[in-house]
Amino acid sequence: DTEVTQTPKHLVMGMTNKKSLKCEQHMGHRAMYWYKQKAKKPPELMFVYSYEKLSINESVPSRFSPECPNSSLLNLHLHALQPEDSALYLCASSHTLTGTNTEAFFGQGTRLTVV
Amino acid sequence: QKEVEQNSGPLSVPEGAIASLNCTYSDRGSQSFFWYRQYSGKSPELIMFIYSNGDKEDGRFTAQLNKASQYVSLLIRDSQPSDSATYLCAVKQGGSEKLVFGKGTKLTVNP
Repeated sequence: DTEVTQTPKHLVMGMTNKKSLKCEQHMGHRAMYWYKQKAKKPPELMFVYSYEKLSINESVPSRFSPECPNSSLLNLHLHALQPEDSALYLCASSHTLTGTNTEAFFGQGTRLTVV
Repeated sequence: QKEVEQNSGPLSVPEGAIASLNCTYSDRGSQSFFWYRQYSGKSPELIMFIYSNGDKEDGRFTAQLNKASQYVSLLIRDSQPSDSATYLCAVKQGGSEKLVFGKGTKLTVNP
């Protein structure tokens, strides 16, 4: 089973709203990722968590706030977003970050529209 | 900026043909290499990964890695219309926790 579950699948939010994206995996993976993907572009890395600690922040604006409450869950808290933040937000997980067990599996994504 | 380059395509092949997708990378210390398939409006799906030089086969898919030439490829044999998608090459850079994607190659398999 290589399932990563993201909720919600679609989200429309106003620029003054606060919302959260959720990601869950039960594969025992210890690395989890947030990516952002705009239309016809490759995924862009936002954050990496390893063993529930933030490992990488790719200079993401503070209106995006990640959280890893436990090894199975990853959240992305959204506040005061801009219309240009509209994109497909992808969560992924892998067993580890280094070595030969680093295959990353993606969830179905959350299609976010900021109005 | 360490890069992953792919032919942007589009690549069009007839049904039953071999589709060949290519990728080069700039970080000589890269250790792990992945191919993802992404259908329009969907998320990337891992279809192949390779860590060692040489070929790795899985069904109709073969990944080829040549670290000396910094080159990784994906061959799809007996291409089917259902293979029509964008194929993303991704590289885990050496000493880094980052998975970097190429821009993708759009493949169309014509019936």
